[in-house]
Amino acid sequence: QKEVEQDPGPLSVPEGAIVSLNCTYSNSAFQYFMWYRQYSRKGPELLMYTYSSGNKEDGRFTAQVDKSSKYISLFIRDSQPSDSATYLCAIFSGNTGKLIFGQGTTLQVKP
Amino acid sequence: EAQVTQNPRYLITVTGKKLTVTCSQNMNHEYMSWYRQDPGLGLRQIYYSMNVEVTDKGDVPEGYKVSRKEKRNFPLILESPSPNQTSLYFCASSLSGQGARGYTFGSGTRLTVV
Repeated sequence: QKEVEQDPGPLSVPEGAIVSLNCTYSNSAFQYFMWYRQYSRKGPELLMYTYSSGNKEDGRFTAQVDKSSKYISLFIRDSQPSDSATYLCAIFSGNTGKLIFGQGTTLQVKP
Repeated sequence: EAQVTQNPRYLITVTGKKLTVTCSQNMNHEYMSWYRQDPGLGLRQIYYSMNVEVTDKGDVPEGYKVSRKEKRNFPLILESPSPNQTSLYFCASSLSGQGARGYTFGSGTRLTVV
């Protein structure tokens, strides 16, 4: 079993839709949770960062962590064509000192 | 502008011909790392460095070498490239620890070994 599981998609939605991206993880010791966005032919860029259960909001983006279920989510409201990218979840384990990435979900927002 | 710079962006080479991909960061970050990204496999760590002269293997180090003689530079060396090293490579850096607050990535180097 992979330490971090993410459905690779692809996911295609119409402009304005609410998008939900999800990851599950196996190790309850994982401490820090991140979402990266990667545009085609670019490096991943940090989008959201959180270390606690609950929600963190930044504009149209909301990151949600449920440590009891070992489940993290990224919600995008009022999705735009410019949101079309691959979204990677990443989790940092203080025990191993490693940042572990999910496979990434490819999102396409159609005008 | 704070950034991680990789060169070259694209490289086509032949099997066995030694090559170096350079990585430089201007943020005074202690931690630097190399990843390769392959379809269906995601990002896999090759090597990382906690500080100058301190390097360690990641998950897929075979066929690669690194060095960290200066804080800002972390080159990736392929002594004898093979076709299975055809991939998209990313250098990343982090201010503290090993990435608890996220990495800054370079724009990537697409390597093709024929």
